[in-house]
Amino acid sequence: DTGVSQNPRHKITKRGQNVTFRCDPISEHNRLYWYRQTLGQGPEFLTYFQNEAQLEKSRLLSDRFSAERPKGSFSTLEIQRTEQGDSAMYLCASSHLAGAQETQYFGPGTRLLVL
Amino acid sequence: AQSVTQLGSHVSVSEGALVLLRCNYSSSVPPYLFWYVQYPNQGLQLLLKYTSAATLVKGINGFEAEFKKSETSFHLTKPSAHMSDAAEYFCAVTLSGNTPLVFGKGTRLSVIA
Repeated sequence: DTGVSQNPRHKITKRGQNVTFRCDPISEHNRLYWYRQTLGQGPEFLTYFQNEAQLEKSRLLSDRFSAERPKGSFSTLEIQRTEQGDSAMYLCASSHLAGAQETQYFGPGTRLLVL
Repeated sequence: AQSVTQLGSHVSVSEGALVLLRCNYSSSVPPYLFWYVQYPNQGLQLLLKYTSAATLVKGINGFEAEFKKSETSFHLTKPSAHMSDAAEYFCAVTLSGNTPLVFGKGTRLSVIA
């Protein structure tokens, strides 16, 4: 079990550019979550998938954000026309939903800096 | 809606001393509660979770937490702090055990030699 991986680990971009992050979940995990963490705060939920279906999106996820999980395995999170306020750590977590309970396992995160 | 409050953004203890990190929750139904630890520039690692099976939950690295419904608390403790425990600790809640986590703001633990 190799754990959740995220790429890239760091991204610096200029305001107005588009960026895309990738998350590879633990093998066989059917759920995948995206969270955003700003400095000094706890992670905040953005969106999540069960297999390839996007089940919920937070109000934090503006229309500049889009996430996909095309084959129910890896996921991408794209931010269009980045703003300085998008600077944060983007965390991915995966879980295997069996019955009513799950435990989310987190990746190392992608740290985004928008200049 | 559920929420979590972590009292104390920064806690400092001496090596070998008791660690106590406080977490209070608000939930309309019996919650599922979690403690995660985050080391610098890393993701979150699960320490322990409460799922109603037992009120005293033992986790990794010698940590444990007790669920107290009357106090709506889920405080994290460790009898003897190690230098390696220095990190950020997050308490989180979810209503049904299979929905997105709601995190507290975190408590940074410093351990003094």
